[in-house]
Amino acid sequence: NFMLTQPHSVSESPGKTVSISCTGSSGSIASNYVQWYQQRPGSAPTTMIYENNQRPSGVPDRFSGSIDSSSNSASLTISGLRTEDEAEYYCQSYNSGWVFGGGTKLTVL
Amino acid sequence: EVQLVESGGGLVQPGGSLRLSCAASGFTFSSHAMSWVRQAPGKGLEWVSAISGGGGYTYYADSVKGRFTFSRDNSKNALYLQMNSLRADDTAVYYCAKQRYALPVIDYWGQGTLVTVSS
Repeated sequence: NFMLTQPHSVSESPGKTVSISCTGSSGSIASNYVQWYQQRPGSAPTTMIYENNQRPSGVPDRFSGSIDSSSNSASLTISGLRTEDEAEYYCQSYNSGWVFGGGTKLTVL
Repeated sequence: EVQLVESGGGLVQPGGSLRLSCAASGFTFSSHAMSWVRQAPGKGLEWVSAISGGGGYTYYADSVKGRFTFSRDNSKNALYLQMNSLRADDTAVYYCAKQRYALPVIDYWGQGTLVTVSS
């Protein structure tokens, strides 16, 4: 079964840039779109990036998504970190079924 | 403004049934596939089921296949998840989610409704 692997946690200081990776277990991650969802504690998820690198209206351009076929991974990059970015981030794609990554807890300290 | 409002969650005994509803507004409802995604306490996101815009096609995770039924009423902009033979591991917050047309891509989420399966 296809799986998406994310680091359990990452941390960075306010104002800095951080990237969260999402690595596909098999096949080509570029074969299907990758999405990124943010979930703050006690809240529902919200969509930050869809279709690899598209931002919904209202999501600041500090958030960007990319695909690296050489490492079979997707990345979510957040620049100009703010304390409000502290949350759990999930990647999601599709490969004979919906697949979510296990989530990455971002700490901004 | 897209709004998705879930209802119907609660406490149910193992083996029991529950029906979740989701009221949708702010978009052309019948043009979009919809999904349910759940999150067990302290765990990650798990896709549960999807339904096509017209309602003719449904898809289920192996963990709920044969026990859950997803339906929609496009005249009422409403979704329904009938959950039967509930088990303790079905305990979760259930989110209604709007897909981008027929793509396996979620662009809007509801606030969720909690289902607790316990005796």
